[in-house]
Amino acid sequence: QPQLQESGPGLLKPSETLSLTCTVSGASIGGSSYHWAWLRQPPGKDLEWIGSLYFRGTTYSNPSLKSRVTISVDTSRNQFSLRLSSVTAADTAVYFCARHAYYCSGGSCIQNWFDPWGLGTLVTVSS
Amino acid sequence: QSVLTQPPSVSAAPGQTVTISCSGSSSNIGNNYVSWYQQFPGTAPKVLIYENKKRPSGIPDRFSGSKSGTSATLGITGLQSGDEADYYCGTWDSSLSTVLFGGGTKLTVL
Repeated sequence: QPQLQESGPGLLKPSETLSLTCTVSGASIGGSSYHWAWLRQPPGKDLEWIGSLYFRGTTYSNPSLKSRVTISVDTSRNQFSLRLSSVTAADTAVYFCARHAYYCSGGSCIQNWFDPWGLGTLVTVSS
Repeated sequence: QSVLTQPPSVSAAPGQTVTISCSGSSSNIGNNYVSWYQQFPGTAPKVLIYENKKRPSGIPDRFSGSKSGTSATLGITGLQSGDEADYYCGTWDSSLSTVLFGGGTKLTVL
């Protein structure tokens, strides 16, 4: 079972860009059929999927965040990253990275689950 | 308000059985597979059920999943105090092209 660890600044000001990195150990991002995902959970609120990527460069994200989200991969470091631009207080959340089992065909998703998850990192947006 | 509807809370006594429902529509649960997650306060979610009814290795068979039409159900038998947690359903929505999670259900073991 791989282990995932998020890292990045925990405090941002409104309008800044959030940048987080997920380091994967125990599995190779580049040698896996799995996708890799970012999710978040505002304090006391529900889970929200931000977006996912496949190591060959395919990325896809939540339409509600798509215009602000960039997800990238560095297979040499076995890391993938999230950038979320123009943050506001509404982006305050615990951010998780996770391995994403994903297979969709013909408009239906047979595989779509997240395991394992990183421990999560709290990002606070405040002036 | 979440597209996937879960009861905010359920409760039962130790040893009893509880079910948690997740209601959606044809664009999500009706045509896609469902997963279930357990989350303890301050920790990351853990998958309990994937592809509607499959359990990852290490998950006790006290946990089960099922799906019928546009609803899915998580069942937990032989409740233990250690099962007190929040439970979330998740699936893909083919119309919205996004992953959806339910609003979560807080399980209390009386």
